[in-house]
Amino acid sequence: AQKITQTQPGMFVQEKEAVTLDCTYDTSDPSYGLFWYKQPSSGEMIFLIYQGSYDQQNATEGRYSLNFQKARKSANLVISASQLGDSAMYFCAMREDAGGTSYGKLTFGQGTILTVHP
Amino acid sequence: DAGITQSPRYKITETGRQVTLMCHQTWSHSYMFWYRQDLGHGLRLIYYSAAADITDKGEVSDGYVVSRSKTENFPLTLESATRSQTSVYFCASSPRTSGTQYFGPGTRLLVL
Repeated sequence: AQKITQTQPGMFVQEKEAVTLDCTYDTSDPSYGLFWYKQPSSGEMIFLIYQGSYDQQNATEGRYSLNFQKARKSANLVISASQLGDSAMYFCAMREDAGGTSYGKLTFGQGTILTVHP
Repeated sequence: DAGITQSPRYKITETGRQVTLMCHQTWSHSYMFWYRQDLGHGLRLIYYSAAADITDKGEVSDGYVVSRSKTENFPLTLESATRSQTSVYFCASSPRTSGTQYFGPGTRLLVL
Protein backbone atom coordinates (compact mmCIF):
# COMPACT_ATOMS: atom_id res chain seq x y z
CA ALA A 1 0.00 0.00 0.00
CA GLN A 2 1.13 3.54 -0.70
CA LYS A 3 2.32 5.28 2.42
CA ILE A 4 1.53 8.72 1.05
CA THR A 5 -1.24 9.30 -1.45
CA GLN A 6 -1.89 12.51 -3.32
CA THR A 7 -4.94 11.84 -5.45
CA GLN A 8 -4.96 15.10 -7.38
CA PRO A 9 -2.42 15.06 -10.22
CA GLY A 10 -3.38 18.64 -11.08
CA MET A 11 -5.39 21.45 -9.55
CA PHE A 12 -6.47 24.82 -10.86
CA VAL A 13 -7.37 27.85 -8.78
CA GLN A 14 -8.21 31.46 -9.46
CA GLU A 15 -5.85 34.08 -8.08
CA LYS A 16 -6.89 35.24 -4.58
CA GLU A 17 -9.02 32.14 -4.02
CA ALA A 18 -8.20 29.43 -1.47
CA VAL A 19 -7.23 25.92 -2.55
CA THR A 20 -6.89 22.61 -0.75
CA LEU A 21 -4.37 19.98 -1.81
CA ASP A 22 -5.16 16.52 -0.54
CA CYS A 23 -2.81 14.11 1.19
CA THR A 24 -3.61 10.85 2.92
CA TYR A 25 -1.08 8.67 4.68
CA ASP A 26 -0.76 5.18 6.01
CA THR A 27 1.26 4.28 9.08
CA SER A 28 0.96 2.22 12.23
CA ASP A 29 3.68 4.23 13.97
CA PRO A 30 2.14 6.42 16.71
CA SER A 31 4.91 9.00 16.29
CA TYR A 32 5.33 10.58 12.89
CA GLY A 33 5.60 13.89 11.12
CA LEU A 34 3.98 15.25 8.01
CA PHE A 35 5.56 17.79 5.69
CA TRP A 36 4.62 19.79 2.64
CA TYR A 37 7.19 20.93 0.11
CA LYS A 38 6.81 23.20 -2.89
CA GLN A 39 8.74 22.62 -6.10
CA PRO A 40 8.51 25.52 -8.55
CA SER A 41 9.47 25.13 -12.19
CA SER A 42 13.05 26.07 -11.30
CA GLY A 43 13.29 22.70 -9.55
CA GLU A 44 14.30 23.40 -5.96
CA MET A 45 12.44 21.84 -3.05
CA ILE A 46 11.10 24.43 -0.63
CA PHE A 47 9.85 23.45 2.83
CA LEU A 48 6.43 24.91 3.58
CA ILE A 49 4.90 23.45 6.72
CA TYR A 50 5.18 20.66 9.28
CA GLN A 51 2.72 18.80 11.50
CA GLY A 52 3.71 16.36 14.22
CA SER A 53 1.42 13.46 15.05
CA TYR A 54 1.09 14.61 18.66
CA ASP A 55 0.48 18.25 17.83
CA GLN A 56 -2.93 19.32 19.08
CA GLN A 57 -3.28 22.32 16.84
CA ASN A 58 -3.21 22.43 13.06
CA ALA A 59 0.02 23.95 11.80
CA THR A 60 -0.03 27.33 10.11
CA GLU A 61 2.68 29.28 8.31
CA GLY A 62 1.50 32.52 6.79
CA ARG A 63 -0.90 31.67 3.96
CA TYR A 64 -0.31 27.95 4.43
CA SER A 65 -2.21 25.81 6.88
CA LEU A 66 -2.33 22.08 7.35
CA ASN A 67 -5.71 20.51 7.93
CA PHE A 68 -4.69 17.54 10.06
CA GLN A 69 -7.36 14.89 10.61
CA LYS A 70 -5.59 12.13 12.48
CA ALA A 71 -8.45 9.63 12.58
CA ARG A 72 -8.90 9.92 8.83
CA LYS A 73 -5.12 9.92 8.28
CA SER A 74 -5.26 13.03 6.17
CA ALA A 75 -2.99 16.07 6.10
CA ASN A 76 -4.34 18.45 3.53
CA LEU A 77 -2.54 21.66 2.63
CA VAL A 78 -4.68 24.77 2.44
CA ILE A 79 -3.32 27.79 0.61
CA SER A 80 -5.32 30.92 1.22
CA ALA A 81 -5.43 33.89 -1.14
CA SER A 82 -3.57 32.13 -3.96
CA GLN A 83 -0.94 34.06 -5.85
CA LEU A 84 0.49 33.50 -9.32
CA GLY A 85 3.77 32.53 -7.66
CA ASP A 86 2.05 29.61 -5.96
CA SER A 87 1.95 27.76 -9.29
CA ALA A 88 4.21 24.79 -8.66
CA MET A 89 4.33 21.10 -7.81
CA TYR A 90 3.45 20.34 -4.19
CA PHE A 91 4.65 17.25 -2.35
CA CYS A 92 3.34 15.74 0.83
CA ALA A 93 5.86 13.68 2.81
CA MET A 94 5.87 11.61 5.98
CA ARG A 95 8.53 10.78 8.51
CA GLU A 96 7.87 7.68 10.62
CA ASP A 97 9.86 7.82 13.82
CA ALA A 98 10.05 4.05 14.37
CA GLY A 99 11.23 4.51 17.95
CA GLY A 100 14.02 6.80 16.83
CA THR A 101 15.55 4.38 14.36
CA SER A 102 14.31 5.93 11.13
CA TYR A 103 16.97 8.67 11.07
CA GLY A 104 14.29 11.04 9.86
CA LYS A 105 13.99 9.68 6.35
CA LEU A 106 10.97 10.84 4.38
CA THR A 107 8.46 9.06 2.18
CA PHE A 108 6.95 11.29 -0.50
CA GLY A 109 3.70 11.32 -2.39
CA GLN A 110 3.68 11.70 -6.16
CA GLY A 111 2.83 15.36 -6.03
CA THR A 112 0.09 17.71 -7.20
CA ILE A 113 0.67 20.36 -9.83
CA LEU A 114 -1.09 23.57 -8.86
CA THR A 115 -1.83 26.19 -11.49
CA VAL A 116 -3.01 29.61 -10.38
CA HIS A 117 -4.95 31.54 -13.00
CA PRO A 118 -5.05 35.36 -13.04
CA ASP B 1 25.19 31.50 3.89
CA ALA B 2 25.75 28.67 1.39
CA GLY B 3 23.48 26.14 3.11
CA ILE B 4 23.46 22.98 1.07
CA THR B 5 25.03 22.78 -2.36
CA GLN B 6 25.25 20.12 -5.02
CA SER B 7 27.65 19.68 -7.88
CA PRO B 8 27.56 19.34 -10.74
CA ARG B 9 24.13 20.80 -11.42
CA TYR B 10 23.95 19.04 -14.78
CA LYS B 11 25.78 15.95 -15.97
CA ILE B 12 25.69 13.88 -19.12
CA THR B 13 27.45 10.55 -19.04
CA GLU B 14 27.49 7.25 -20.86
CA THR B 15 26.32 3.84 -19.81
CA GLY B 16 28.94 2.01 -17.81
CA ARG B 17 30.83 5.05 -16.58
CA GLN B 18 31.32 5.85 -12.92
CA VAL B 19 29.78 9.13 -11.82
CA THR B 20 30.03 10.93 -8.50
CA LEU B 21 27.54 13.53 -7.39
CA MET B 22 28.70 15.85 -4.65
CA CYS B 23 26.74 17.26 -1.74
CA HIS B 24 28.08 19.78 0.76
CA GLN B 25 26.32 21.45 3.68
CA THR B 26 27.55 24.25 5.90
CA TRP B 27 25.11 23.78 8.79
CA SER B 28 26.92 20.86 10.47
CA HIS B 29 23.71 18.84 10.27
CA SER B 30 24.16 15.28 11.43
CA TYR B 31 21.66 13.71 9.06
CA MET B 32 22.01 13.67 5.30
CA PHE B 33 19.97 12.03 2.58
CA TRP B 34 20.01 11.32 -1.14
CA TYR B 35 16.77 11.12 -3.11
CA ARG B 36 16.01 10.68 -6.76
CA GLN B 37 13.02 12.23 -8.49
CA ASP B 38 11.36 10.56 -11.44
CA LEU B 39 8.07 11.27 -13.16
CA GLY B 40 5.29 9.27 -11.55
CA HIS B 41 7.35 8.34 -8.48
CA GLY B 42 7.82 11.54 -6.55
CA LEU B 43 11.07 11.44 -4.57
CA ARG B 44 12.51 8.14 -3.46
CA LEU B 45 15.24 7.63 -0.89
CA ILE B 46 18.53 6.19 -2.13
CA TYR B 47 20.80 6.41 0.93
CA TYR B 48 20.92 8.19 4.22
CA SER B 49 23.47 8.95 6.90
CA ALA B 50 23.18 9.72 10.60
CA ALA B 51 26.76 10.95 11.04
CA ALA B 52 30.21 10.60 9.59
CA ASP B 53 30.89 6.96 8.77
CA ILE B 54 27.27 5.92 9.47
CA THR B 55 25.25 5.25 6.33
CA ASP B 56 22.38 2.99 5.36
CA LYS B 57 20.40 2.00 2.30
CA GLY B 58 17.09 3.46 1.31
CA GLU B 59 14.35 2.24 -0.98
CA VAL B 60 16.29 2.36 -4.27
CA SER B 61 19.95 1.83 -3.41
CA ASP B 62 20.97 -0.74 -6.05
CA GLY B 63 23.76 0.60 -8.24
CA TYR B 64 24.70 3.40 -5.86
CA VAL B 65 27.29 3.78 -3.12
CA VAL B 66 27.88 6.57 -0.65
CA SER B 67 30.54 7.64 1.77
CA ARG B 68 30.65 10.15 4.57
CA SER B 69 34.12 10.72 5.90
CA LYS B 70 33.28 14.30 6.95
CA THR B 71 30.04 15.60 8.43
CA GLU B 72 29.63 18.25 5.75
CA ASN B 73 30.07 16.05 2.67
CA PHE B 74 27.94 13.20 1.40
CA PRO B 75 28.96 12.10 -2.12
CA LEU B 76 26.83 9.68 -4.12
CA THR B 77 28.55 7.42 -6.64
CA LEU B 78 26.95 5.54 -9.49
CA GLU B 79 29.39 2.67 -9.90
CA SER B 80 28.43 1.81 -13.49
CA ALA B 81 25.76 4.17 -14.78
CA THR B 82 22.69 2.77 -16.49
CA ARG B 83 20.00 4.58 -18.47
CA SER B 84 17.50 3.86 -15.70
CA GLN B 85 19.59 6.10 -13.46
CA THR B 86 18.72 9.13 -15.57
CA SER B 87 16.99 11.28 -13.01
CA VAL B 88 17.13 14.38 -10.87
CA TYR B 89 19.10 13.78 -7.68
CA PHE B 90 18.49 15.73 -4.51
CA CYS B 91 20.62 15.86 -1.43
CA ALA B 92 19.03 16.94 1.86
CA SER B 93 20.17 17.50 5.42
CA SER B 94 18.54 17.76 8.82
CA PRO B 95 19.86 18.66 12.27
CA ARG B 96 18.04 15.80 14.01
CA THR B 97 15.74 12.90 13.21
CA SER B 98 12.65 14.96 13.99
CA GLY B 99 13.88 18.02 12.18
CA THR B 100 12.90 19.47 8.85
CA GLN B 101 14.94 18.33 5.88
CA TYR B 102 16.43 21.07 3.75
CA PHE B 103 17.19 20.27 0.15
CA GLY B 104 19.97 21.15 -2.19
CA PRO B 105 19.21 22.53 -5.66
CA GLY B 106 19.43 19.12 -7.34
CA THR B 107 21.59 17.53 -10.01
CA ARG B 108 20.09 16.59 -13.37
CA LEU B 109 21.81 13.45 -14.63
CA LEU B 110 21.38 12.06 -18.12
CA VAL B 111 22.83 8.65 -18.90
CA LEU B 112 23.14 7.95 -22.62
